[in-house]
Amino acid sequence: NAGVTQTPKFQVLKTGQSMTLQCAQDMNHEYMSWYRQDPGMGLRLIHYSVGAGITDQGEVPNGYNVSRSTTEDFPLRLLSAAPSQTSVYFCASRTQGTLNTGELFFGEGSRLTVL
Amino acid sequence: KQEVTQIPAALSVPEGENLVLNCSFTDSAIYNLQWFRQDPGKGLTSLLLIQSSQREQTSGRLNASLDKSSGRSTLYIAASQPGDSATYLCAPLVDKIIFGKGTRLHILP
Repeated sequence: NAGVTQTPKFQVLKTGQSMTLQCAQDMNHEYMSWYRQDPGMGLRLIHYSVGAGITDQGEVPNGYNVSRSTTEDFPLRLLSAAPSQTSVYFCASRTQGTLNTGELFFGEGSRLTVL
Repeated sequence: KQEVTQIPAALSVPEGENLVLNCSFTDSAIYNLQWFRQDPGKGLTSLLLIQSSQREQTSGRLNASLDKSSGRSTLYIAASQPGDSATYLCAPLVDKIIFGKGTRLHILP
């Protein structure tokens, strides 16, 4: 199993450009989420999904869009990148359910720089 | 709204000491709680997962406890080593998983 795979690992954008960070997991996890991590700010939740077709906002959703058309994929879209979105982005997934909610698995991260 | 607080924010101690890292959370309706470590510039490594029905979980020199009713978890590190230097994060597992800012641990050789 590959686990949680994020692409790209590094990306440089210009202000106003759009891009999509990809996240895929092969563990059949219902739950997937996106975080950003900035120095001194810890991990902040952007969006999360408890299953295909269901998404919800986290702590810092502005400027980001998500969709969940399949169980495996949870892409994060920046429609018009801003320098404030320079950060390291992490995707995570886990099983979902009251009786068998499992541990959270993380991808290796995607480092985004917006000039 | 879930809030997660980790105390202390930073800790620097000589090698060999036993350590206690604290995690408190406001929403006690959690499924489980997970502890991670993160080395500088790296991703998150899972250390321990405590099921909501458990009170403790052990892995090697690490022992984590969970008290859902009081909204607290403690990570105990025995006989600390320089390789334990990292940031430690706790995550109460609910639908909207919020992290604390972590405890930055530095073990002096």
